[in-house]
Amino acid sequence: AQTVTQSQPEMSVQEAETVTLSCTYDTSESNYYLFWYKQPPSRQMILVIRQEAYKQQNATENRFSVNFQKAAKSFSLKISDSQLGDTAMYFCAFTGNDMRFGAGTRLTVKP
Amino acid sequence: NAGVTQTPKFQVLKTGQSMTLQCAQDMNHEYMSWYRQDPGMGLRLIHYSVGAGITDQGEVPNGYNVSRSTTEDFPLRLLSAAPSQTSVYFCASSYSYGLAGASSTDTQYFGPGTRLTVL
Repeated sequence: AQTVTQSQPEMSVQEAETVTLSCTYDTSESNYYLFWYKQPPSRQMILVIRQEAYKQQNATENRFSVNFQKAAKSFSLKISDSQLGDTAMYFCAFTGNDMRFGAGTRLTVKP
Repeated sequence: NAGVTQTPKFQVLKTGQSMTLQCAQDMNHEYMSWYRQDPGMGLRLIHYSVGAGITDQGEVPNGYNVSRSTTEDFPLRLLSAAPSQTSVYFCASSYSYGLAGASSTDTQYFGPGTRLTVL
């Protein structure tokens, strides 16, 4: 079975600085998708960014970008110019033959 | 578009009671799924459906039943609630899904969640 590991339970960053959240996964599949979801205190799950495994180019969405290393099975999320509204739980997710979520990283952006 | 809606938002049950968590989406998505979220763990897939009349088990299906009579609705039933089912439940939907398995291959839209407590 696939596994997704987020090794940083909690992180903090100063407003306007850059932070990187780590995610590793384990799979024998060659075609799959990776996601980062944000869950603010409202509990709503919001898609941040999506990466298709067959694409070598790293996905970017405004201030959010990923560093996708397929051979290393690593999928980190970089948040640039952090804002107070980025404070949330962030979940890494893998979808191939099934769907797995990591345990999450709680990010706090400090003013 | 209302997106994905879930009712109720909160529920307290006694052990052995039954109830149904409702989920509906108005985006004409074929793929719908139910997850549970427990402290210190990510979301875990309970059941999923790739279309009306088609359902299958996810990672943690025991104690839950589902059915999909329409594209829009995907209710989750707890037949005899247990304290181990205390959790936050999320319903989600997406336009597309993998050909081999329980996976969504694009953005999943999540409902606001139901916090269930079983005493």
